Amino acid sequence: QVQLQESGPGLVKPSETLSLTCTVSGGSISSYYWSWIRQPAGKGLEWIGRIYTSGSTNYNPSLKSRVTMSVDTSKNQFSLKLSSVTAADTAVYYCARGSLMDVWGQGTTVTVSS
Amino acid sequence: DIQMTQSPSSLSASVGDRVTITCRASQGIRNDLGWYQQKPGKAPKRLIYAASSLQSGVPSRFSGSGSGTEFTLTISSLQPEDFATYYCLQHNSYPLTFGQGTKVEIK
Repeated sequence: QVQLQESGPGLVKPSETLSLTCTVSGGSISSYYWSWIRQPAGKGLEWIGRIYTSGSTNYNPSLKSRVTMSVDTSKNQFSLKLSSVTAADTAVYYCARGSLMDVWGQGTTVTVSS
Repeated sequence: DIQMTQSPSSLSASVGDRVTITCRASQGIRNDLGWYQQKPGKAPKRLIYAASSLQSGVPSRFSGSGSGTEFTLTISSLQPEDFATYYCLQHNSYPLTFGQGTKVEIK
């Protein structure tokens, strides 16, 4: 059974870059799309973007100028970088499989604060 | 962007009640829609895909219907473990967009 686990710093300073990694276990990362989603406290879900194992990406236009996604098939991992963060980027960040998001990680809380 | 409008935003219901949640898309999305359940402090869990297909392991009291711009999630007999927030997601076009959520509370 495929499982996803997000990892990365829980605290990021304003104007710096948020970096998260999602590790896929129990199955291969290959031949799937992989998504990132975030959820500010008490609010709804926002799709950040997705990456295919070839490296092809689609980003939400609202974040596109600040988002970079990458994949490392040798480690069964994919990553998210969000640059120039502000307090508005404080949220729980989730990784999920595909655009249909049938499998989710447990989420990791990222706080942007000095 | 395709806007997904869920209604109601919240509802109160009793165990055993039939509950219906609606999601309307701002333009046609065929059946490219999923429904997700989220409990406090937990990741969302997919219940329905392709608008009406039940995810493996999900109780049969959950069902989905619709196509085009109007979709419904129905819980035929609400159980205590069903009190949660429900979201729809369209994956027809980018950016993928979620509805704003429907919180199902205990009456």
